[in-house]
Amino acid sequence: GENVEQHPSTLSVQEGDSAVIKCTYSDSASNYFPWYKQELGKRPQLIIDIRSNVGEKKDQRIAVTLNKTAKHFSLHITETQPEDSAVYFCAESNDYKLSFGAGTTVTVRA
Amino acid sequence: NAGVTQTPKFQVLKTGQSMTLQCAQDMNHNSMYWYRQDPGMGLRLIYYSASEGTTDKGEVPNGYNVSRLNKREFSLRLESAAPSQTSVYFCASSPPGQYGYTFGSGTRLTVV
Repeated sequence: GENVEQHPSTLSVQEGDSAVIKCTYSDSASNYFPWYKQELGKRPQLIIDIRSNVGEKKDQRIAVTLNKTAKHFSLHITETQPEDSAVYFCAESNDYKLSFGAGTTVTVRA
Repeated sequence: NAGVTQTPKFQVLKTGQSMTLQCAQDMNHNSMYWYRQDPGMGLRLIYYSASEGTTDKGEVPNGYNVSRLNKREFSLRLESAAPSQTSVYFCASSPPGQYGYTFGSGTRLTVV
């Protein structure tokens, strides 16, 4: 989407290592920041989200951090496993319509 | 409870042909959305409907029309298909006052 930049576009990590994906946004009114995972040929599925009044949220091996001052948020995956291989999309919204980043293809090497 | 159902799953059209992509949700969601997904570009919003009876343009509406037939159904129409409309189309819905999207399984459209 035009409102969100996502980096890197591809990421290859060794199994067990961590993966970090970063997104930046431009609209200071944005207040909701979800992350979606899309496996090959499947629909995107929400894996974690964060609202603007929270700086960090964690769910098992995944975490999201938000820096509203710098207008960026990041997805952290620890102890990566082969099933983490997928395309990950960040998104942002302030009015229930989501604007998505271009996606990051994550490959976990065994 | 099927969630969000899209039909068809695959379609090949010739340039200039028309077709309608169907989407239905059974979760009593108010808001429905149509996105297209192209390599390296993420998901881009085509049209959305905040509630039954309303529709609005998204980021890339040119060449498309929509109809919110009732609360359950939101269709996307291509009046005269062009090769640039070759894409994967996703329908999604969300409950009132909430951000969480549920996506359909997608329609892979090829225009030749």
